[in-house]
Amino acid sequence: DSGVTQTPKHLITATGQRVTLRCSPRSGDLSVYWYQQSLDQGLQFLIQYYNGEERAKGNILERFSAQQFPDLHSELNLSSLELGDSALYFCASSVEGGGAVNEQFFGPGTRLTVL
Amino acid sequence: QKEVEQDPGPLSVPEGAIVSLNCTYSNSAFQYFMWYRQYSRKGPELLMYTYSSGNKEDGRFTAQVDKSSKYISLFIRDSQPSDSATYLCAMSARRGSTLGRLYFGRGTQLTVWP
Repeated sequence: DSGVTQTPKHLITATGQRVTLRCSPRSGDLSVYWYQQSLDQGLQFLIQYYNGEERAKGNILERFSAQQFPDLHSELNLSSLELGDSALYFCASSVEGGGAVNEQFFGPGTRLTVL
Repeated sequence: QKEVEQDPGPLSVPEGAIVSLNCTYSNSAFQYFMWYRQYSRKGPELLMYTYSSGNKEDGRFTAQVDKSSKYISLFIRDSQPSDSATYLCAMSARRGSTLGRLYFGRGTQLTVWP
């Protein structure tokens, strides 16, 4: 158990809908990262927050948004869902806000299925 | 061209075999190299990390980095069925320059059969 929690574990929804994925980082970790993992694309970095502020952006679509709250939990909002958004979404947390060597601890993931 | 290339496999070996997993990369700024292990239906977990070129050993696992060739490897000696997982390489640049972003390979699926 990494100490990172994600809810829900599974989510099944329809195209065009909007969903919210939630992540609670390990106690003491200030950084939260979101990743999307699909069979054809592998693990894709979406976005990073550090202590409530957006720190880095990766391949995140405009239909997706995220935020980190004062209690450091984070939410990833996915809207106007398409079939291609079906994937595993992972949250990871780390102690440091930047720097190359910061071990990222991954949560168990949320499996999103868009029908 | 992706920043990090990794053969997805699958790779199937008998118990006790030596396994070699590899990644190549294109960004010469990468200096920190990591290997994550991901079991089915679980999140990735950090297995090993190395800084710059050289080798690092941890039990049955050895990580090698050849920056001149932009090539990294993970060797697993005396492989066990419990090593069956997907292995992802990851890397990042100097402290502060990438703000903590990791670049991942696609992962190699390994099966060790008894």
